[in-house]
Amino acid sequence: NAGVMQNPRHLVRRRGQEARLRCSPMKGHSHVYWYRQLPEEGLKFMVYLQKENIIDESGMPKERFSAEFPKEGPSILRIQQVVRGDSAAYFCASSPPGHTDTQYFGPGTRLTVL
Amino acid sequence: AQSVTQLDSQVPVFEEAPVELRCNYSSSVSVYLFWYVQYPNQGLQLLLKYLSGSTLVKGINGFEAEFNKSQTSFHLRKPSVHISDTAEYFCAVSLDYGQNFVFGPGTRLSVLP
Repeated sequence: NAGVMQNPRHLVRRRGQEARLRCSPMKGHSHVYWYRQLPEEGLKFMVYLQKENIIDESGMPKERFSAEFPKEGPSILRIQQVVRGDSAAYFCASSPPGHTDTQYFGPGTRLTVL
Repeated sequence: AQSVTQLDSQVPVFEEAPVELRCNYSSSVSVYLFWYVQYPNQGLQLLLKYLSGSTLVKGINGFEAEFNKSQTSFHLRKPSVHISDTAEYFCAVSLDYGQNFVFGPGTRLSVLP
């Protein structure tokens, strides 16, 4: 059973471009979470999704950021018009139905905005 | 709102020595508590968690943590560390059974030969 997969592992974008980060949860997991880790800081919760539904987006910036978890395919975190302050590691986690207390984390995507 | 404090940003310790990584939290309601470990260039792995019951929780790799409600602490301990324990350790709290974690800033444990 493969773990949580994220791609790309490293992403470089220039200011103003779009960044699309993908997360494939573990097999059988229907809950996906996105976190952002700024340098020298802990992870900050961004958004919690189930298939085709956003359950909690209280940690998402109000502008430029969006997330989806379609019925088929990976979850996508999309950042439009990136700025230097978006440079961070973005981690995805997944959990099975009824077990949201145990989240399995992917290796992360390191976004660098030039 | 909850918050998590990890007072030690870095902890160097010699191999086979004991270690304690401190975690304090603030919350006006009951919380669930977690410790995660992050090895270089990897995602987080769950070490242990406290949901209810016994305040002494045993986790993987020989780690344990004790929940102290009066001191709002959840310190992580290991009686004898190995070089392979070198990693970043994060304490986290959650109000609602695992959703919407709040993480501490992390403690970098360096085990020296």
